[in-house]
Amino acid sequence: EVQLVQSGSEVKKPGESLKIPCKGSGYSFTTYWIGWVRQMPGKGLEWMGIIYPADSDTRYSPSFQGQVTISADKSISTAYLQWSSLKASDTATYYCAVTGNDGFDVWGQGTMVTVSS
Amino acid sequence: DIQMTQSPSSLSASVGDRVSITCRASQSMISYLNWFQQKPGKAPKLLIYAASTLQTGVPSRFSGSASGTDFTLTISSLQPEDFATYYCQQTYTTPYTFGQGTKLEIK
Repeated sequence: EVQLVQSGSEVKKPGESLKIPCKGSGYSFTTYWIGWVRQMPGKGLEWMGIIYPADSDTRYSPSFQGQVTISADKSISTAYLQWSSLKASDTATYYCAVTGNDGFDVWGQGTMVTVSS
Repeated sequence: DIQMTQSPSSLSASVGDRVSITCRASQSMISYLNWFQQKPGKAPKLLIYAASTLQTGVPSRFSGSASGTDFTLTISSLQPEDFATYYCQQTYTTPYTFGQGTKLEIK
């Protein structure tokens, strides 16, 4: 089965760091770009960035450049989204997704991140 | 960046109605345009890719079209399970921007 598996909910305090994983299986992990999408409570989808696991080429949305780090470890078929210092405004659900222009489409179940003091 | 302007932001319709949702791109682009459906608490689901290609397993009442920088998702006869939020997304150039979403509600 083709799937992306994300970790469960996270509750953190402002200023803390966080790295959330997205593990791919059932397909060639290095063949497709993996992207991250933010959805704040009650809001729309925001594209954050993508990474090509084969060589870790990464592209960020200007809105998220410098705010997060996207990385991947192809040896364990896992992509990551990382914050060095969380803010309350980072509270959201974060999805990883592979959507190729050939119709290949798989999404993780989402990781809900809550940042509160 | 390519901006995707989606309209309407919300739409009220009845079962059996034909509805259309439009996305306008801020610049000319090849038809690397996806349409997603999202239900509350769930990840988005791809319906249409390359502007008009129906994803495998998606009912044929969904269709997509393109005219210049305008892209349209049409549902020919609404079913109860179609009430959800719909998003367009361009994948022509990064950042791969989404439209603002259209919430389709039952009248």
